Amino acid sequence: QVQLVESGGGVAQPGTSLRLSCAASGFTFRKSGMHWVRQAPGKGLEWVAVIWDDGSIDKYADSVKGRFTISRDNSKNTLFLQMNSLRAEDTAVYYCARDLGGSPFDLWGQGTLVTVSS
Amino acid sequence: EIVLTQSPGTLSLSPGESATISCWASQSVRSTFFAWYQQKPGQAPRLLIHGTSSRATGIPDRFSGSGSGTDFTLTIRRLEPDDFAVYYCQQYNESPWTFGQGTKVEMK
Repeated sequence: QVQLVESGGGVAQPGTSLRLSCAASGFTFRKSGMHWVRQAPGKGLEWVAVIWDDGSIDKYADSVKGRFTISRDNSKNTLFLQMNSLRAEDTAVYYCARDLGGSPFDLWGQGTLVTVSS
Repeated sequence: EIVLTQSPGTLSLSPGESATISCWASQSVRSTFFAWYQQKPGQAPRLLIHGTSSRATGIPDRFSGSGSGTDFTLTIRRLEPDDFAVYYCQQYNESPWTFGQGTKVEMK
């Protein structure tokens, strides 16, 4: 069925790295823009990054620019978020979400929890 | 960056009543690029309304959206127990995509 499944979350120490994955199925992944959105415990939604359907363009929130990198492998229907130099304030549930081009986020994964703590 | 401010922060209502949630944008947002989401505890957000007033697939007509420019509204008529949740507005008019801080609709 049509779904997104995130993985790769866990506990990381400040200053270290983590790589999240988002496996897509049931739709034409290579025709979809993809986003990462995060939600700190008890807080609201914060947009993190976007990548165009062909991977040609990516954009980032100021809070993660220079530390996080979004990428995708259209041959494997998978989205990635490489998170470097992690900080305590990066602790959140990370969701991947689909954007069919100038569109709202109509499909979300279940989220993966990242905890940054020493 | 377009900042979205929702009001109120919390709505305490009974089933059968109506909920009205407002969202103000710091700059004008094209109506085509404005959405509302519902989020229940432990779940991912779900798209309710896109293009300011178009319901997403499977969303009942008790949910309606309206507005333009910098002033948008989500109305939920005849609240049902399943509607008690947190609601977020979002603009996808320009990068960075931004969300409101959320409005919790709780059962009185």
